[in-house]
Amino acid sequence: DTEVTQTPKHLVMGMTNKKSLKCEQHMGHRAMYWYKQKAKKPPELMFVYSYEKLSINESVPSRFSPECPNSSLLNLHLHALQPEDSALYLCASSQEQVYSNQPQHFGDGTRLSIL
Amino acid sequence: GESVGLHLPTLSVQEGDNSIINCAYSNSASDYFIWYKQESGKGPQFIIDIRSNMDKRQGQRVTVLLNKTVKHLSLQIAATQPGDSAVYFCAENINSGGSNYKLTFGKGTLLTVNP
Repeated sequence: DTEVTQTPKHLVMGMTNKKSLKCEQHMGHRAMYWYKQKAKKPPELMFVYSYEKLSINESVPSRFSPECPNSSLLNLHLHALQPEDSALYLCASSQEQVYSNQPQHFGDGTRLSIL
Repeated sequence: GESVGLHLPTLSVQEGDNSIINCAYSNSASDYFIWYKQESGKGPQFIIDIRSNMDKRQGQRVTVLLNKTVKHLSLQIAATQPGDSAVYFCAENINSGGSNYKLTFGKGTLLTVNP
């Protein structure tokens, strides 16, 4: 079992819906990440939070809105998504973002389908 | 053998053989590298990492080799088992500005182990 927990595991939503993806870790990590992964492709970075502050936004459309309520939780709020946003959304965490030699640990993702 | 084309590169081996998965990385300034294993329906799982001041690192049944001259990374799996069947990604940790780092993943290789 992974130490990064993501809910829900699967989500189907219409283009007008509002939903949220949730991620939780209890490893004391201070950096948390959102990635998007399309089938047969590598994960692509979306957002990075370091010490609960947004440090990287990879030019992600505003219909994706991240939130880090505390050091253990990371949310991704979804609104007015497009069919091309259907993908696996992965959350990851690491001890810090500011050092190079620390691996990221991933959850098993939320499989999102937009109708 | 290994094939690279429009689809995910694949490597097919017999159970008990040794496997070698290769990866070319992009940034000569990258100083930390990670191999991840991703099984169907799961998130990427950390396998082994290596810093740029090393050229070889061994784990349990796995060895990572780093050739900085040609920017090449390889993962060797000894006595490959059916449970090793998965997609394998290399990732390099790149400085994204200041003291912040972010992971960039390679394309991935699908390893299939035949019993």
